This record gives sequence, C-alpha cells and structure tokens, in this order.
Amino acid sequence: SYELTQPPSVSVSPGQTARITCSGDALPKKYAYWYQQKSGQAPVLVIYEDSKRPSGIPERFSGSSSGTMATLTISGAQVEDEADYYCYSTDSSGNHRRVFGTGTKVTVL
Amino acid sequence: EVQLVESGGVVVQPGGSLRLSCAASGFTFDDYAMHWVRQAPGKGLEWVSLISWDGGSTYYADSVKGRFTISRDNSKNSLYLQMNSLRAEDTALYYCASSAAGALDYWGQGTLVTVSS
Repeated sequence: SYELTQPPSVSVSPGQTARITCSGDALPKKYAYWYQQKSGQAPVLVIYEDSKRPSGIPERFSGSSSGTMATLTISGAQVEDEADYYCYSTDSSGNHRRVFGTGTKVTVL
Repeated sequence: EVQLVESGGVVVQPGGSLRLSCAASGFTFDDYAMHWVRQAPGKGLEWVSLISWDGGSTYYADSVKGRFTISRDNSKNSLYLQMNSLRAEDTALYYCASSAAGALDYWGQGTLVTVSS
C-alpha cells in the first residue's frame, strides 16, 4: 500500500526555521496537504495544494513540493507551533484512497 | 459556524458491531464529500473512508475494507460509519471531516471506540 514518510521529530529554537519533509512516490502527480495537531485537539489544515495557505494561518507557514518530496517550512518558529505535523495526499493508482504521513513531532525550545 | 459532531463511540467486544454518526451544521452538507479518519491512542492519523457528495462513490482503507461501510443521509445532514467484525486494532478516536476539493477542511472533535473484552 502507498506510504508517505516523514522524519519522526524536528527540534528548533524559537525564531529558527523548521523544515519537515514528506516523501512519497505519487507526489509528482498528487498534491500534498499539511495538518497541525496540538495535544488533545483535532488536526488543523495549515497548507493545501502543496503551497497554499488557508485564511487565518500565519505567514510563517509555507509549503513546497519537488519530485517525490513535499516540504513544510516554519520560518521563525514560535513556541505555540510545537505540535505534531502530518502530510496527506492521494494514492496515484486510481483507487482514490487517501493516506497520511507518518507524522513529525516539532519541538520548539 | 461549521460544526461536525461525532457520536456513537463506546466499549465493544471483539467481533462486535457499532455505528458511528456525524451531525453536520453551518454549511451546505451535500456540497461536500465526507471522510472518516481515526487515531489510535498515542499514534498517528489514519485515513479510513471517503464518500462522495451524493453517496454514489465510496472508498476504504485496506485495513477496514469489507468490514466498515460509510453512508450519508443528506436530508438529515448526517454521515455514518457502520463498523462490523471489530478488532482490538480498531480502537481509536474516530473523526469525521468535510472536503470541498482535496483538503479535509473541517474536522469534528472525535468519538472514542474501544474494542476490548
């Protein structure tokens, strides 16, 4: 079955840049989406269609995609950005199935 | 205000059945595809199932195919997940989520299903 692979953890100091990668064979053909999940809360969409930011999401969140890798960048990370982050995309085999990445714990300290 | 409220989560024995519901409000329900996503305790997100806006197309993760059935009633602004032959590994918080295009735009707060004897 299709998989999206992320690093388990990323640590940054406040004000530094955090980059989270998501690797998947179908990403050249399928959009990547990114979700932020804080402890005990439902996920929140922070990036859609590789690089678009929903209204209300701070400008420090940005996304990009090249080849089989999508990247979420948090420029000038804040303490409140500490959370789990998941990429999300679609299997390209035509079965319409969706898949979440393995998740990355971002620590800001 | 968009609201998605899941219900129906309980403790059920292995091999048992359960029906989850998701009540939607604050948006035009039949304009949206709907999904179920689950999260086992301390684990990551797992996509479970998708139903098209009119209920005409449904898709499932391999882990639940043949055991779970997604459905919707647009007249009641409601989404359902019928879960049969439940296993311990189905224990999770189950979220419903709406999708206008590709993204899962809005999420509920989840309902907890525990499969245990």
